[in-house]
Amino acid sequence: QVQLQESGPGLVKPSETLSLTCTVSGGSISSYYWSWIRQPAGKGLEWIGRIYTSGSTNYNPSLKSRVTMSVDTSKNQFSLKLSSVTAADTAVYYCARAGGSSATIFDYWGQGTLVTVSS
Amino acid sequence: SYELTQPLSVSVALGQTARITCGGNNIGSKNVHWYQQKPGQAPVLVIYRDSNRPSGIPERFSGSNSGNTATLTISRAQAGDEADYYCQVWDSSHVVFGGGTKLTVL
Repeated sequence: QVQLQESGPGLVKPSETLSLTCTVSGGSISSYYWSWIRQPAGKGLEWIGRIYTSGSTNYNPSLKSRVTMSVDTSKNQFSLKLSSVTAADTAVYYCARAGGSSATIFDYWGQGTLVTVSS
Repeated sequence: SYELTQPLSVSVALGQTARITCGGNNIGSKNVHWYQQKPGQAPVLVIYRDSNRPSGIPERFSGSNSGNTATLTISRAQAGDEADYYCQVWDSSHVVFGGGTKLTVL
């Protein structure tokens, strides 16, 4: 059974960079797309972007200028960096695997981690 | 950019059928996936590619997609089905989620 676990600081100061890592267990990270999705309190889901194990990425156009994703296949991990954060970036951040032949179906999710942007 | 429109809320009587719609321009030409999210939990895939159920999802959950509307149908609604539901598609190399629908079971 594939499991995903997000980790990283729960509090980030405004204008700084949010950094999160997702560790995949119970299966290989290779040959899949891996995504970050966030959800502000009481609001809907927002896709941040995805990375393939080759390093190829797609980002949400609204966040593209601030997002960087990377993958470390040796550690079965992938990461998110979101720069110049503001209070609007406060949210629960989920990592998820995109499965299916079209790699667009989120079949496994992490439990989510709350990141608060505040001084 | 592509947009998906869902009703904010849907109510259904216990044991009856709930239908949650997801509107989008020519959405019938896309693969639609549906997720259920209960408070404090991560979303769970309940329907993929319009009408397919993942293992472990009850047969009471079904989906359809045609024209400009995709629909998630929950038959014989149970109290445990009360949750937020999100539709999702892939468009122009991006993932798009609907705004979510809160299902209340009365």
